[in-house]
Amino acid sequence: EAQVTQNPRYLITVTGKKLTVTCSQNMNHEYMSWYRQDPGLGLRQIYYSMNVEVTDKGDVPEGYKVSRKEKRNFPLILESPSPNQTSLYFCASSRTGNEAFFGQGTRLTVV
Amino acid sequence: LAKTTQPISMDSYEGQEVNITCSHNNIATNDYITWYQQFPSQGPRFIIQGYKTKVTNEVASLFIPADRKSSTLSLPRVSLSDTAVYYCLVGASLSGATNKLIFGTGTLLAVQP
Repeated sequence: EAQVTQNPRYLITVTGKKLTVTCSQNMNHEYMSWYRQDPGLGLRQIYYSMNVEVTDKGDVPEGYKVSRKEKRNFPLILESPSPNQTSLYFCASSRTGNEAFFGQGTRLTVV
Repeated sequence: LAKTTQPISMDSYEGQEVNITCSHNNIATNDYITWYQQFPSQGPRFIIQGYKTKVTNEVASLFIPADRKSSTLSLPRVSLSDTAVYYCLVGASLSGATNKLIFGTGTLLAVQP
């Protein structure tokens, strides 16, 4: 089954404790991206990747890092999480620019 | 990337046809129009995509006038399970395009019995 898998689905952490949210897709897509969704602000893109070793900032990249060492994986790294990064995060992948497949989401709470 | 404008919310009843219009005055020549559906706490799901005129699939129809400055998503005979947020996006869908999808705040469609 074609899918984008994120882990974990839920995470509560403390300020400053490094964490990684994993994202994996099994569709051999070139494009992958990360979004955060906050009430009233819609979906905002954090980072995206057009292929292995090619990444670029989205609209809200501050406080996040990504890597794309393999085509199927695109982890999101928070080196020093802060409470304002409490959000619902989505990973997406696509073969072309617009028809993206999204993961189930990761609800992160930073206390 | 072209900015889109769509109603914040719409109400409907089961069995009715719902049309959600999106305005994108600054659409570029190679831009496609794509609609997504999102249920609470789930990732957006691709519904339909088009470039001009009319596109229809098993879920919806997309009407795009000749000037392409707007588009209308048409959902036939909605049911309660169609209650969701619907996003209109405009951007290039050709090979080599970036993946900078801009979602906006979408249209919350509420379907009532």
